[in-house]
Amino acid sequence: AQSVSQHNHHVILSEAASLELGCNYSYGGTVNLFWYVQYPGQHLQLLLKYFSGDPLVKGIKGFEAEFIKSKFSFNLRKPSVQWSDTAEYFCAVNAGNNRKLIWGLGTSLAVNP
Amino acid sequence: ETGVTQSPTHLIKTRGQQVTLRCSSQSGHNTVSWYQQALGQGPQFIFQYYREEENGRGNFPPRFSGLQFPNYSSELNVNALELDDSALYLCASTLSGGASYNEQFFGPGTRLTVL
Repeated sequence: AQSVSQHNHHVILSEAASLELGCNYSYGGTVNLFWYVQYPGQHLQLLLKYFSGDPLVKGIKGFEAEFIKSKFSFNLRKPSVQWSDTAEYFCAVNAGNNRKLIWGLGTSLAVNP
Repeated sequence: ETGVTQSPTHLIKTRGQQVTLRCSSQSGHNTVSWYQQALGQGPQFIFQYYREEENGRGNFPPRFSGLQFPNYSSELNVNALELDDSALYLCASTLSGGASYNEQFFGPGTRLTVL
């Protein structure tokens, strides 16, 4: 069965620290990959997505992610986090043309000022 | 704000009852997906509707059913509620039959508590 694994459930960083959140998926074919973020009290919103082309994708608010097909990974990065990045981050995968988005459990990020 | 609205915001029901949750899609979006998010979990796909037809379903029993209306708004109905149905129910709208690379726009969710 297809699955998505997020390695870190809770991450605490100080402002200006670098961030990398891991995401691995299990599916051997074509995938579309997403990172969504949920800020406290707000809706889920798209940070970035990959479906083809350059495996390094840039999203909103300085986030980027790299698709490494050989490792089945789509890790999220930000060189320098801010207090306002405190949120829940979800990795999601759509396998082939399946309508179904498979989600990871989420990573709770707390950034201390 | 995404333009996707859901009602009600919170709901408390007892075991065995039935519930209807509502969603209004973002303007111009013809596809809506419903998700269940239990506490501490990622969203779980329930089903998707495109042009009033079910267009994909996750691993949920038949007592979870839905409707999409000509204006693309949608309902999620759950019969014979169980305690484990307590969760945040999310609605997301998108364009073009939910093509796999399209972004989904989420509503704020309905928090359902089953006692």
